[in-house]
Amino acid sequence: QKEVEQNSGPLSVPEGAIASLNCTYSDRVSQSFFWYRQYSGKSPELIMSIYSNGDKEDGRFTAQLNKASQYVSLLIRDSQPSDSATYLCAVFTGGGNKLTFGTGTQLKVEL
Amino acid sequence: GAGVSQSPSNKVTEKGKDVELRCDPISGHTALYWYRQSLGQGLEFLIYFQGNSAPDKSGLPSDRFSAERTGGSVSTLTIQRTQQEDSAVYLCASSWKGGGLSSTDTQYFGPGTRLTVL
Repeated sequence: QKEVEQNSGPLSVPEGAIASLNCTYSDRVSQSFFWYRQYSGKSPELIMSIYSNGDKEDGRFTAQLNKASQYVSLLIRDSQPSDSATYLCAVFTGGGNKLTFGTGTQLKVEL
Repeated sequence: GAGVSQSPSNKVTEKGKDVELRCDPISGHTALYWYRQSLGQGLEFLIYFQGNSAPDKSGLPSDRFSAERTGGSVSTLTIQRTQQEDSAVYLCASSWKGGGLSSTDTQYFGPGTRLTVL
């Protein structure tokens, strides 16, 4: 089992719709979770971080964390073509210093 | 500086040659990370430096890979006797204070070095 798993996609949504990106992780003691956005040919940039169960909202983005289910998600409301990118879920794992990334979900927002 | 910088941006080398990749972290950041991203893959952790502590080398794929960080700032990743499977984008990131399970520390990434081994 991979430490951090994401569906590779592509996930296609129409402009203005809600995009839902999901991530599961295997290390039960993990407490810090991050969503990064990566445009093609560019380096990752942080979108959201979440540390407590529940929802955390920032503009059009909402991160959701359920530690009991080992599940973290990212919702993007009113999706725009500029949101088209690969979204990477990242989790501090193993009790150490390693930030483990999923392979990313490619999101395509269509006009 | 304004952000993490890396050099060179692109490196093409022949199999068997050694290469050095450089990372300049954000000023004041004590933690520095190296990752590797192969085409279509996620980021693979390579090595982590935190202040003056011994680095966490647990992600280095072989003994051909090494890294150092001089003066707690600039870092160099060296790959000896490069192989074609080393071709990837090598990303450096820095953060204020480093990792740990409960870390809330944000990592800021540099633009990466695209390494091609022929």
